[in-house]
Amino acid sequence: DAGITQSPRHKVTETGTPVTLRCHQTENHRYMYWYRQDPGHGLRLIHYSYGVKDTDKGEVSDGYSVSRSKTEDFLLTLESATSSQTSVYFCAISELEREKLFFGSGTQLSVL
Amino acid sequence: GDSVTQMEGPVTLSEEAFLTINCTYTATGYPSLFWYVQYPGEGLQLLLKATKADDKGSNKGFEATYRKETTSFHLEKGSVQVSDSAVYFCALSGNTGKLIFGQGTTLQVKP
Repeated sequence: DAGITQSPRHKVTETGTPVTLRCHQTENHRYMYWYRQDPGHGLRLIHYSYGVKDTDKGEVSDGYSVSRSKTEDFLLTLESATSSQTSVYFCAISELEREKLFFGSGTQLSVL
Repeated sequence: GDSVTQMEGPVTLSEEAFLTINCTYTATGYPSLFWYVQYPGEGLQLLLKATKADDKGSNKGFEATYRKETTSFHLEKGSVQVSDSAVYFCALSGNTGKLIFGQGTTLQVKP
């Protein structure tokens, strides 16, 4: 299994609070991604990174920011959480673009 | 833009039945196509892929053929098992290099 660790695995928070999710990899892969999974929508890309300090927006980036200060860590921040951001968040990595992704086990986030 | 459409689920089958999960796509150029599987409580993992027209991806008894003329990549298995119960996602990687997923199809196999 690819070495990907997401933390926390579960989080409950209140509307308006900031939240940071962490993805840590031990594979030294260049590309890292944050997806959210919602019923009826499959997985939707939030943000991705193609190198240290190199990030870009995905299709559902509003309300989210990311940072990648080291190859192994990719952080997703909800500046002010809303109930619509209740979801399961997956981190993924890949060595090459257009190649297969390896996924973490996910973070279940509930915003009350 | 690029998109993937999967048949709606859930799909419920008896053990040893034949499985087909339909997937069609819209993309410019020549995308790579993938099937991912998600078992309960886990992240997605790659099941199979195909990178050009008429390629057949296969793994664990599952197969899918890249059909450019019908823009399809249907997943098939000749005899399903209870352990195949999972959510299956069709996906494409197009000119943007990013993976676009379908909405997922839940498969439930009963003994």
